[in-house]
Amino acid sequence: DQQVKQNSPSLSVQEGRISILNCDYTNSMFDYFLWYKKYPAEGPTFLISISSIKDKNEDGRFTVFLNKSAKHLSLHIVPSQPGDSAVYFCAAGSGNTGKLIFGQGTTLQVKP
Amino acid sequence: EPEVTQTPSHQVTQMGQEVILRCVPISNHLYFYWYRQILGQKVEFLVSFYNNEISEKSEIFDDQFSVERPDGSNFTLKIRSTKLEDSAMYFCASSPPGLAVQETQYFGPGTRLLVL
Repeated sequence: DQQVKQNSPSLSVQEGRISILNCDYTNSMFDYFLWYKKYPAEGPTFLISISSIKDKNEDGRFTVFLNKSAKHLSLHIVPSQPGDSAVYFCAAGSGNTGKLIFGQGTTLQVKP
Repeated sequence: EPEVTQTPSHQVTQMGQEVILRCVPISNHLYFYWYRQILGQKVEFLVSFYNNEISEKSEIFDDQFSVERPDGSNFTLKIRSTKLEDSAMYFCASSPPGLAVQETQYFGPGTRLLVL
């Protein structure tokens, strides 16, 4: 299932700088998108979501941008902290059943 | 902070055996889900459950799988006759009531199932 893609398997940034994680999708019927962070041997932790009627949502250090015409979303983390080092998943859904389609994840490393 | 819990954390079973994975969703949540992640692969949707019935299921969720909410707190996934390819991490998730219910799903820590 290639409906949601995270083309960068890994990203490394310096502490204090901005981390930008990208996600592309192919299904124009998706109407909500979520970002999760995952540590090894733990479940995904919900970070932030955005509805397709918006183009930006912000929560503290996390901002998600949605470009529907490009079928692209991104997660910005500013400033990045070493504790942000984890695997980040984007996920997309449509309708009212809650089914999420996940990307394959991007491993973020924030160096002190 | 309330969280989704899952038991057991690990389960090893023989092929053909039945397993039941248990989840306790967050207490005021009304929507429940099971996902799984085979090692090295994406997280995959299995089933969503609301108002004591299945809302949607994937093609993975065949007749060998069933879900149940036997009481007001537990949500279970049963695999009747396990296969080797059922080996995966199984995640339970839940969503609160509200307008943007599908936009917020909280996941449990997972049960690692190994079928031998």
